[in-house]
Amino acid sequence: GAGVSQSPSNKVTEKGKDVELRCDPISGHTALYWYRQSLGQGLEFLIYFQGNSAPDKSGLPSDRFSAERTGGSVSTLTIQRTQQEDSAVYLCASSREGRLIQETQYFGPGTRLLVL
Amino acid sequence: KQEVTQIPAALSVPEGENLVLNCSFTDSAIYNLQWFRQDPGKGLTSLLLIQSSQREQTSGRLNASLDKSSGRSTLYIAASQPGDSATYLCAVKSPGTYKYIFGTGTRLKVLA
Repeated sequence: GAGVSQSPSNKVTEKGKDVELRCDPISGHTALYWYRQSLGQGLEFLIYFQGNSAPDKSGLPSDRFSAERTGGSVSTLTIQRTQQEDSAVYLCASSREGRLIQETQYFGPGTRLLVL
Repeated sequence: KQEVTQIPAALSVPEGENLVLNCSFTDSAIYNLQWFRQDPGKGLTSLLLIQSSQREQTSGRLNASLDKSSGRSTLYIAASQPGDSATYLCAVKSPGTYKYIFGTGTRLKVLA
């Protein structure tokens, strides 16, 4: 079946503008994750959704970042008043059920964000 | 706090060589360790997942080992090919969490 998809694939924006990044997980996957990969850095966890449970937002770097997941499927990551340090690749992943120890996460191709 | 380190950061080898990528983690209490491959402009692809009770996993020319007590894992690639050129990431999942902690990766280039 189809994998995780993300849109847009690339986004260039001006400092101070808001951006929205979209993630479509694999159908039937209840767990969804957002990560950020800055140049020369490892993947940094941002937020986790599991079914109808309250999301784990512990990785969000500031209150300018927020995310929601509607209907347990599509997720949107919003960055308000973007700063140049927000420039990174934002990766979304999904898994069948996040609590299972042995399951893998399936990653989307990412959105490359450049803040000028 | 779990930290994951990968050495070397970059590696260039001629085609046909066998090579080893290293991953180390600071907290040996892990659920599993996973190796991923990342191609430019693409997402991550899972290569091998080793449970904490396992010592190694094999898939084709790839073999991953895990030594929890020393906080180390290695990814062995046999008979490397130019198509193996990519960034290789290791990640660990710790007890009580669903999050993976990632290393910064090793950029591999296999020369034809």
